[in-house]
Amino acid sequence: AQKITQTQPGMFVQEKEAVTLDCTYDTSDPSYGLFWYKQPSSGEMIFLIYQGSYDQQNATEGRYSLNFQKARKSANLVISASQLGDSAMYFCAMREGPANFGNEKLTFGTGTRLTIIP
Amino acid sequence: TAGITQAPTSQILAAGRSMTLRCTQDMRHNAMYWYRQDLGLGLRLIHYSNTAGTTGKGEVPDGYSVSRANTDDFPLTLASAVPSQTSVYFCATKLLWDTDTQYFGPGTRLTVL
Repeated sequence: AQKITQTQPGMFVQEKEAVTLDCTYDTSDPSYGLFWYKQPSSGEMIFLIYQGSYDQQNATEGRYSLNFQKARKSANLVISASQLGDSAMYFCAMREGPANFGNEKLTFGTGTRLTIIP
Repeated sequence: TAGITQAPTSQILAAGRSMTLRCTQDMRHNAMYWYRQDLGLGLRLIHYSNTAGTTGKGEVPDGYSVSRANTDDFPLTLASAVPSQTSVYFCATKLLWDTDTQYFGPGTRLTVL
């Protein structure tokens, strides 16, 4: 079974609209972390946001927020007021096990290509 | 990606040849990782190292070897390249005990013919 599933291969969104990128995960470990990375056309991987499995509140970083629904095992990325510069590939990733115990290996989803339309 | 350099930026390699991809960081991060990125498969972990002198296997280690002689360098070696190793290779680092985030280098695009 896939540990990280991103069901949207591509999305087109009008500039200034909000966008939600879906991510579901599969793990039996009670301690885990969820990450979102952005990969623009230039190729680098840019960290956006992190959510720990025990965090009570949804993570937010500027225009990015993570809609964490633990019972549904989903960790959707929400981008508010999208901009042209948001056009990129977006990857959801998971760390299984507690942080900082040498279990820092990340499992990535296959990504969603987001295109912002002017 | 500041603080992590990868070399070369891109390379075309004949099948059967060996090659070492270099990764150097100046952030004094304990942990380092090598991923490969293939279309439709996302990023997959090849090898990792939690600290200098130790290494471990990731999801797709076959055909690759690594070493971690010091904190800053984590080279990835392909002993005898095959076309299926054509990919984009990313090095990443993380500071254990401080942050939960991995930081990625700019990547190396490798084509094996």
